[in-house]
Amino acid sequence: RKEVEQDPGPFNVPEGATVAFNCTYSNSASQSFFWYRQDCRKEPKLLMSVYSSGNEDGRFTAQLNRASQYISLLIRDSKLSDSATYLCVVNVMDSSYKLIFGSGTRLLVRP
Amino acid sequence: EAGVTQFPSHSVIEKGQTVTLRCDPISGHDNLYWYRRVMGKEIKFLLHFVKESKQDESGMPNNRFLAERTGGTYSTLKVQPAELEDSGVYFCASSQDLTDGYTFGSGTRLTVV
Repeated sequence: RKEVEQDPGPFNVPEGATVAFNCTYSNSASQSFFWYRQDCRKEPKLLMSVYSSGNEDGRFTAQLNRASQYISLLIRDSKLSDSATYLCVVNVMDSSYKLIFGSGTRLLVRP
Repeated sequence: EAGVTQFPSHSVIEKGQTVTLRCDPISGHDNLYWYRRVMGKEIKFLLHFVKESKQDESGMPNNRFLAERTGGTYSTLKVQPAELEDSGVYFCASSQDLTDGYTFGSGTRLTVV
């Protein structure tokens, strides 16, 4: 079983749609949580950190449920430029802090 | 502020050859990480430096991989001798704090033929 599980998609949605991605993690030593965005053949870029209280950044809302070990990302009013792969990432502490990546969920926003 | 810089961006080498990848972290970032993505798999941790010290190298695949960070500034990752399964994208990242999100470099795409 992977440490961070995501639906690979692709999610194919029209412009203006609302889309939600989910992620589960298995390591209870996970300390911090993130959504990264990765465009084709580019590096991952931090989209937002995720907190238990929920946090919002413009059209993006992230939520963490520690009890269920579940992370979500909601994108409202999708833009063509939102097309990318969204990586669910947890920061785990064992011998040191390290990021554990999900395989990513691919989003395609069509005109 | 300059980001994380990696060199080269692409490298194609023959099996058995040696390749050295370089990473320049964001200035002042003590934490430097190497990650790798092989075809069809998720990005995986290789190792973590704090300044010039290896904090955790549990993700290094085998002893053909050697990472250094002399002087606590830039880092190199050498693969010797390279094998076909070493092909992938090698990302370097740096951070100031251990629990913050990292800034990634644009990666080195390594192809071993």
